Amino acid sequence: KNEVEQSPQNLTAQEGEFITINCSYSVGISALHWLQQHPGGGIVSLFMLSSGKKKHGRLIATINIQEKHSSLHITASHPRDSAVYICAVGRGDKLIFGTGTRLQVFP
Amino acid sequence: DTGVSQDPRHKITKRGQNVTFRCDPISEHNRLYWYRQTLGQGPEFLTYFQNEAQLEKSRLLSDRFSAERPKGSFSTLEIQRTEQGDSAMYLCASSLVLGPQGETQYFGPGTRLLVL
Repeated sequence: KNEVEQSPQNLTAQEGEFITINCSYSVGISALHWLQQHPGGGIVSLFMLSSGKKKHGRLIATINIQEKHSSLHITASHPRDSAVYICAVGRGDKLIFGTGTRLQVFP
Repeated sequence: DTGVSQDPRHKITKRGQNVTFRCDPISEHNRLYWYRQTLGQGPEFLTYFQNEAQLEKSRLLSDRFSAERPKGSFSTLEIQRTEQGDSAMYLCASSLVLGPQGETQYFGPGTRLLVL
């Protein structure tokens, strides 16, 4: 079993839909990260959080430490949100990554 | 551009050849990480540096792999006697660590290696 599990693996949505991506982890962590990867490889850090909730524009990330679970929400989704979203947990000084959720938003 | 840069962006080599990749981190960052990513998977940790000191190496990093960060600035990752299984995207990331609470890592564009 992977230490970091994401669901779903693939997600399609119509423009404007509310999207949720889930991440569960099985180890103690220092922080949880959400990252975005576009075709071609570039990875951008979206959030780093260790408790509660963070919001940036249309993106919201939440974490429940007791349940070892985090969610990434995208409100009013847009085709430019199409990318792979990766959850990663900080363990010691390194990150352990999930396999990612591939999101496609159609107009 | 003051982001993380990697060179080359693409490398095609024949099995058995040696390859070297370079990463230039964001200038004031004291941490530098190397990751490997294969198709459909998330990145996997390979090694990292705090300034010029290499602090941890993954068990994924066989003896054919070596990384350096000689002056605490840029880093190189060398793969000797490449194998087809080494084909992957090699990602570099850097961060500024000020305390134990975790830090945001900034990723480079990656070097895509294909071993024929």
